Amino acid sequence: GQQVMQIPQYQHVQEGEDFTTYCNSSTTLSNIQWYKQRPGGHPVFLIQLVKSGEVKKQKRLTFQFGEAKKNSSLHITATQTTDVGTYFCAGTRGSTLGRLYFGRGTQLTVWP
Amino acid sequence: NAGVTQTPKFQVLKTGQSMTLQCAQDMNHNSMYWYRQDPGMGLRLIYYSASEGTTDKGEVPNGYNVSRLNKREFSLRLESAAPSQTSVYFCATAWRRGDTEAFFGQGTRLTVV
Repeated sequence: GQQVMQIPQYQHVQEGEDFTTYCNSSTTLSNIQWYKQRPGGHPVFLIQLVKSGEVKKQKRLTFQFGEAKKNSSLHITATQTTDVGTYFCAGTRGSTLGRLYFGRGTQLTVWP
Repeated sequence: NAGVTQTPKFQVLKTGQSMTLQCAQDMNHNSMYWYRQDPGMGLRLIYYSASEGTTDKGEVPNGYNVSRLNKREFSLRLESAAPSQTSVYFCATAWRRGDTEAFFGQGTRLTVV
């Protein structure tokens, strides 16, 4: 079954609106990574969170790792058309450190 | 410096045919992965190799075999292709398993008819 759940599956926003995608695991994660995949492209690494409660920012993107290390979120402020793509979270568990479990992704569409 | 190179980029197979997808990296990474991506299913791990000489099953290994030929190369073989294996296949590498960023190849779009 799906090890890491991600919602929503699709999100359509108008340029300038905010966007958030959520990632949840039933078990504690060792770390969480976020990737972006442009249409027709391959996933590209955005960031990794390791510590409980960690918050990191990249310009308009804010990433959070939950206190229990079971959930994470990616928030984009004032979306732009260049933000279009699918955003994936991916986590690892200590018991199977070699495996990177991907969520199903959130496909973001931005209207100009 | 090519990064992660996958060949071929596109392939059409008939049911029952076999083929090998090739992946090569020049990043001196230890870990290599094969994923398949289907619409609405995200990326599912087929096999991975934490280091040269080791391979392990992922979430969906049935119908596939892998070979970690050396540190640079990790191949994925379909012995008898089935329509259910129609997908986009991505190879990825990482310096260390699980806790360092993964770099993906451009993908192989495989259609089995």
